[in-house]
Amino acid sequence: RKEVEQDPGPFNVPEGATVAFNCTYSNSASQSFFWYRQDCRKEPKLLMSVYSSGNEDGRFTAQLNRASQYISLLIRDSKLSDSATYLCVLYRDDYKLSFGAGTTVTVRA
Amino acid sequence: ETGVTQTPRHLVMGMTNKKSLKCEQHLGHNAMYWYKQSAKKPLELMFVYSLEERVENNSVPSRFSPECPNSSHLFLHLHTLQPEDSALYLCASSRGLHADTQYFGPGTRLTVL
Repeated sequence: RKEVEQDPGPFNVPEGATVAFNCTYSNSASQSFFWYRQDCRKEPKLLMSVYSSGNEDGRFTAQLNRASQYISLLIRDSKLSDSATYLCVLYRDDYKLSFGAGTTVTVRA
Repeated sequence: ETGVTQTPRHLVMGMTNKKSLKCEQHLGHNAMYWYKQSAKKPLELMFVYSLEERVENNSVPSRFSPECPNSSHLFLHLHTLQPEDSALYLCASSRGLHADTQYFGPGTRLTVL
């Protein structure tokens, strides 16, 4: 089983819609989780950190379910600029980050 | 944003060439990383340096050779690569080895012919 698994998508949504997707992880000892955003042919950039049960930043909400070992990301009122690949990342206890392959979101006008 | 810079941004090389990728971080961080990102695959950690000492060599073939002359600079020397080595090579840095947030450079897109 992969350490971090994501639905690759793509999720195609109209502007203004809400889109949500999950990431599952296998290492129950993981303490820190992150969502990174990666635009086409660009580097990953930190979007949100998720340390406890969840985090909210504007239109973005991340939730952590330790019992079921998944993290979700919800984007409200989608903008065209939200089109990107969203990487689920967990911080392992050996100081390494484990990355999912990403979920692609396309917001259309 | 110029926190972490990488050069060149694009590189095309033959299998017999020798080239080097350069990374520089301007954030005062103590840890630096090389990752490989192939299409539709997760980032793969290649090397980790902390205070100029290599602390991780993640079963990377010897045709990739890292060098960290100081805490701000990181190189990846390439020689006799294979076409399957074509990928985006990303450099990252973090405040320290146990800092959980890493900052990435723009990457070098490498094509091996």
